[in-house]
Amino acid sequence: KQEVTQIPAALSVPEGENLVLNCSFTDSAIYNLQWFRQDPGKGLTSLLLIQSSQREQTSGRLNASLDKSSGRSTLYIAASQPGDSATYLCAVKGGANNLFFGTGTRLTVIP
Amino acid sequence: SAVISQKPSRDICQRGTSLTIQCQVDSQVTMMFWYRQQPGQSLTLIATANQGSEATYESGFVIDKFPISRPNLTFSTLTVSNMSPEDSSIYLCSVNKGGNYGYTFGSGTRLTVV
Repeated sequence: KQEVTQIPAALSVPEGENLVLNCSFTDSAIYNLQWFRQDPGKGLTSLLLIQSSQREQTSGRLNASLDKSSGRSTLYIAASQPGDSATYLCAVKGGANNLFFGTGTRLTVIP
Repeated sequence: SAVISQKPSRDICQRGTSLTIQCQVDSQVTMMFWYRQQPGQSLTLIATANQGSEATYESGFVIDKFPISRPNLTFSTLTVSNMSPEDSSIYLCSVNKGGNYGYTFGSGTRLTVV
């Protein structure tokens, strides 16, 4: 069964810093990988979607990379802002529309 | 990508009662899913809502406790029945167009059972 792990579980950084969130998965047979943001008590907002054939995707200050062979993805956030404070979840899509979630990284950006 | 309207956004309910959560999608989608997120945990799939047939439930979830309706390709409801404090969670609906498309999630329903 696919297992998805995110490191670190929590991260606190001063405003303006660049940061990297990590996601690893055990089964490389994936369709795609998605990064989500979740604010406390709320739903999930999709940030980036990387297909299994792609290496990276960019949206504004966010860049996500995918190394399928090693089972790893990173989410890079440039010039962090207090508004970036949230929990970030990665999820991999396997066969039969199974979506496997990581445990999340809780990010706090200190003004 | 699809836009999902999920209602209610939050509710506080008495134990033993039931709550129905609604999700409306702005376009027709084949696959619709219901998730539960218990406090401090990641998401767990409850069931896949199938249009015109019974939902497909994951291990540990049963229809009597979480009845689901899917009358058409844009709408679904999840009912949490005979609630207990252990049902206090965030419930989310999600859609996917299949293949290599990503998932879109609703804004979530934060349920507290007292």
